[in-house]
Parts: sequence; structure tokens; C-alpha cells
Amino acid sequence: QQQVKQSPQSLIVQKGGISIINCAYENTAFDYFPWYQQFPGKGPALLIAIRPDVSEKKEGRFTISFNKSAKQFSLHIMDSQPGDSATYFCAARRGSTLGRLYFGRGTQLTVWP
Amino acid sequence: NAGVTQTPKFQVLKTGQSMTLQCAQDMNHEYMSWYRQDPGMGLRLIHYSVGAGITDQGEVPNGYNVSRSTTEDFPLRLLSAAPSQTSVYFCASTTGNSPLHFGNGTRLTVT
Repeated sequence: QQQVKQSPQSLIVQKGGISIINCAYENTAFDYFPWYQQFPGKGPALLIAIRPDVSEKKEGRFTISFNKSAKQFSLHIMDSQPGDSATYFCAARRGSTLGRLYFGRGTQLTVWP
Repeated sequence: NAGVTQTPKFQVLKTGQSMTLQCAQDMNHEYMSWYRQDPGMGLRLIHYSVGAGITDQGEVPNGYNVSRSTTEDFPLRLLSAAPSQTSVYFCASTTGNSPLHFGNGTRLTVT
């Protein structure tokens, strides 16, 4: 049973556009929701993360929106750039099992000039 | 500061062979874990450890063994390789309250 569901599987956006990736979860015990970015040949790296006590977190061009009642969260990339082309993973974690993340299946983002 | 180091980067095995994927971290992190990444499947947890001498199974543990004798090292053993184990393997570590730090992966092909 997949703990975190992510969509879309792939996304193509024009340079300067907005990229939006969505995730949904069922387990209300999750208390930490990070997004990871992965470039080819590299391991994933933390991009931005949010806890359920806030509805939005912004870091530069990257924003997480969190809807606790709907059990959904999303990543918005404003002014998308070709350098943002990568695979993005959402994830979730329970406080009782620190160090164990449940990942979505990933979204391959391509930003074309 | 090397972070999480995985060796080898690439490996080809024949069905039935065994091998050990190495993982070492120099950040004194308590938690270490192994994930496999397959196209369209995301990152799936194989095994994880909350400290030296303590390990537990993840989502896809069958065919893999782990042990953690030191804080720094967390090797993953394939007992009898199968083509279904062809994948990219990532080791990761964290303090628990810090981000998960990943290595750069081992790409394994089983023929």
C-alpha cells in the first residue's frame, strides 16, 4: 500500500512558467513533509520541507502548500528554469519513526527554454 | 566532510552471486537506511537502522541482509542475486531531526 501518492509522473513546462506537483497521504500520524530534488547520477537532496501546523512555506522560487483537512500538499516552482529540470519526490515521516521516510513515486520535470 | 559514501558506483552480477554494497557516513548520524530506486516506483525502503546493533525491515526487505556494528557503516548484502534486484541503491543517514542525506548511489545490474 503506497503511503504517499504523487502526481503527475512527468511534467513539461516552458521557461518562466509555474510547475506544480501534487501529493496526497492517508496516515494522519505523518508530521513532516519534505520535498527532494534529484539530478541524474546523483542522490536526492532536500529542497524544502513543511510541518502540518502551517499552510504554506516559501523559499525563493519554491513554495509548499499544505492542506491538512484534505491530506494533500503540493510543490510550486515559480519562474521555472531549465536548471530546475530534475526528478522531484515528495515524502512523509511519522515522529515515532524518525529517519524513516515514505516517498512518492517521483515527478520528472522538464523545463524547456 | 565526505557525507555519505557508497561503493561501488557500478556493479554487474550474475544470477545467484552474492555481494555487499558498502555505505559509510562521517556525520555521526544515528539513523541509516537503504533504498532502492526503480523507474516509476520512487524510492522504496529496504532496511533501516536506528543505531549500532539495531536494524529493522522496510517495505522490500526480501533478498537483502544488513548489520550495523558501528555508527559509521551500514553494509547491504545481497545473498543470492536475482534479475529483479537490478536497480539503483541509495544509502541515507540522518540525526532524525535533520534532513535525510543520500549517497550518490550504486547502480546494480543482475544478468
